[in-house]
Amino acid sequence: KAGVTQTPRYLIKTRGQQVTLSCSPISGHRSVSWYQQTPGQGLQFLFEYFSETQRNKGNFPGRFSGRQFSNSRSEMNVSTLELGDSALYLCASSLEVRGNTGELFFGEGSRLTVL
Amino acid sequence: AQSVTQLGSHVSVSEGALVLLRCNYSSSVPPYLFWYVQYPNQGLQLLLKYTTGATLVKGINGFEAEFKKSETSFHLTKPSAHMSDAAEYFCAVMDNYGQNFVFGPGTRLSVLP
Repeated sequence: KAGVTQTPRYLIKTRGQQVTLSCSPISGHRSVSWYQQTPGQGLQFLFEYFSETQRNKGNFPGRFSGRQFSNSRSEMNVSTLELGDSALYLCASSLEVRGNTGELFFGEGSRLTVL
Repeated sequence: AQSVTQLGSHVSVSEGALVLLRCNYSSSVPPYLFWYVQYPNQGLQLLLKYTTGATLVKGINGFEAEFKKSETSFHLTKPSAHMSDAAEYFCAVMDNYGQNFVFGPGTRLSVLP
């Protein structure tokens, strides 16, 4: 069974640009969550999608957005990049909304560097 | 609001020594508790979880954790550290309504030869 796949794994952007990251969940998983990981702030929750609907949202500015498609694949977008957006962006999928077992399956992340 | 604290951002142990990583949580409802491990340049992998039932939970790679409600703790232990255990470990809590999944700040484990 294939795991959670995130693309691209590494990318470099400059300030002011925008970026789109992609996440393909485990087959059959309908919930996708996104996290930002930085050395200073640790793991911070961005948002969660279930059946193409955003169910939960963390405390990030509107420059951070996401969506989920009918096949459960998800994308997140960051517009007008700032230096502080440099981070590892992790996607996690779960079988349902995190209520039942709570187990999240993580991808390897997309490491974004903003210059 | 739920929160998770992990005592010690960095723990060093000698190979073969006991590993003890501490996790305390606050939750207004009975929680689900998790330990995840992250190896360099990788995502997080579930080590073990507590939902209901037996309070001593065994996970992968010889790790186990005990849920102590009276102490609001879920400490992670392993009797004998191996070099391959060097990684970052995250404790997480989720309320059983599935509304909030909160990670602790993480503890980096170093294993010395």
